Amino acid sequence: AQTIHQWPVAEIKAVGSPLSLGCTIKGKSSPNLYWYWQATGGTLQQLFYSITVGQVESVVQLNLSASRPKDDQFILSTEKLLLSHSGFYLCAWRFGGAGAETLYFGSGTRLTVL
Amino acid sequence: GDKVKQSPSALSLQEGTNSALRCNFSIAATTVQWFLQNPRGSLINLFYLVPGTKENGRLKSAFDSKESYSTLHIRDAQLEDSGTYFCATGYQNFYFGKGTSLTVIP
Repeated sequence: AQTIHQWPVAEIKAVGSPLSLGCTIKGKSSPNLYWYWQATGGTLQQLFYSITVGQVESVVQLNLSASRPKDDQFILSTEKLLLSHSGFYLCAWRFGGAGAETLYFGSGTRLTVL
Repeated sequence: GDKVKQSPSALSLQEGTNSALRCNFSIAATTVQWFLQNPRGSLINLFYLVPGTKENGRLKSAFDSKESYSTLHIRDAQLEDSGTYFCATGYQNFYFGKGTSLTVIP
């Protein structure tokens, strides 16, 4: 069975400080990986996706970047946090290929920028 | 404008009653997914649909790609059904609606 693990569970950071959020998928090789951001009470906004190691497509950047250093790992980062980065960050995966669009989400990281 | 519009935005249901949620798509949608986000923030997969219907326990969903809408029917609502329901469509880029916040009242 596939498992998805996000870290950390929560972060409180200062404006201007760096950030790194991580996501690991076990039990599935070559998954498609996604980062989403959700403002409090808001919808899910797709930020990045990756279909293979080393390749990341940006959908909405929000002054963030993403990398996929390993097949099972997806990293979201920034060198300087803004107040607007506060929110809930969710990593998701799905099987590659058509007819397999079901997204499976991690438990998320709650980020507060002060 | 919003590519995926959900209605209603909020809903209160008496326990044991029925209701329906709706998603309208302004983009070509070939599949739809429904999720329930619980108070802790976890997103629970409810349905993945191609055009047609699916049923799971007290939940039933339908998707009409030609008319560009999907519905989620909740029968005999229970307290644990409370949360925010999202629909989404897409392939590599997924578009989510703004959600329906459901509160089930004892």
